[in-house]
Amino acid sequence: DVVMTQSPLSLSVTLGQPASISCRSSQSLVHSDGNTYLNWFQQRPGQSPRRLIYKVSNRDSGVPDRFSGSGSDTEFTLKISRVEAEDVGVYYCMQGTYWPPDTFGQGTKLEIK
Amino acid sequence: QVQLVESGGGVVQPGRSLRLSCAASGFTFSTYAMHWVRQPPGKGLEWVAVISYDETIEYYADSVKGRFTISRDNSKNTLYLQMNSLKTEDTAVYYCARDLGIDYWGQGTLVTVSS
Repeated sequence: DVVMTQSPLSLSVTLGQPASISCRSSQSLVHSDGNTYLNWFQQRPGQSPRRLIYKVSNRDSGVPDRFSGSGSDTEFTLKISRVEAEDVGVYYCMQGTYWPPDTFGQGTKLEIK
Repeated sequence: QVQLVESGGGVVQPGRSLRLSCAASGFTFSTYAMHWVRQPPGKGLEWVAVISYDETIEYYADSVKGRFTISRDNSKNTLYLQMNSLKTEDTAVYYCARDLGIDYWGQGTLVTVSS
């Protein structure tokens, strides 16, 4: 199975400052169809996960443009340009290129400093 | 709007069975693959199973293969997870989720396996 490794596992950021989360896969996530199936999810405290980004860099409807995704092959990044209080939670990357199984990263906990 | 509502969770003894349901609305259920994903208390997300839109394809995580069965009733817009021979390590919040890209999640239902 593809292993997804996130770093850091926790992040403390001052309001209004940027944040960056890295996700590395154990093999290239480029599918034979040319797409890269790497998604990012946010899970606020006490809530279900919510998808933020799909196929590396595409924001889901309603996701603020301060969230952006980038990367290729085995290295991916989720960036928040200016952290707001509502961004507190755990962020997960997930690969869907080699399924089953879909595999998730361990999660990165974002808190406000 | 898309809604996924899980039910059927509860406390069950090891070795017993439980069936979860997920009622879908706000989209054409019969055209989407559906997943179950679980989250043990205080831990991360683990994919459990997926079923194709037409029930012809099912896949399972190794940790549940042979014990869990995913199914769906497209006439009732409902997804199911039959869980047999439950183990303490199956304790988790179980989410149903839509589509291969997992774009929508339900609110989850808690399954506690304990003697």
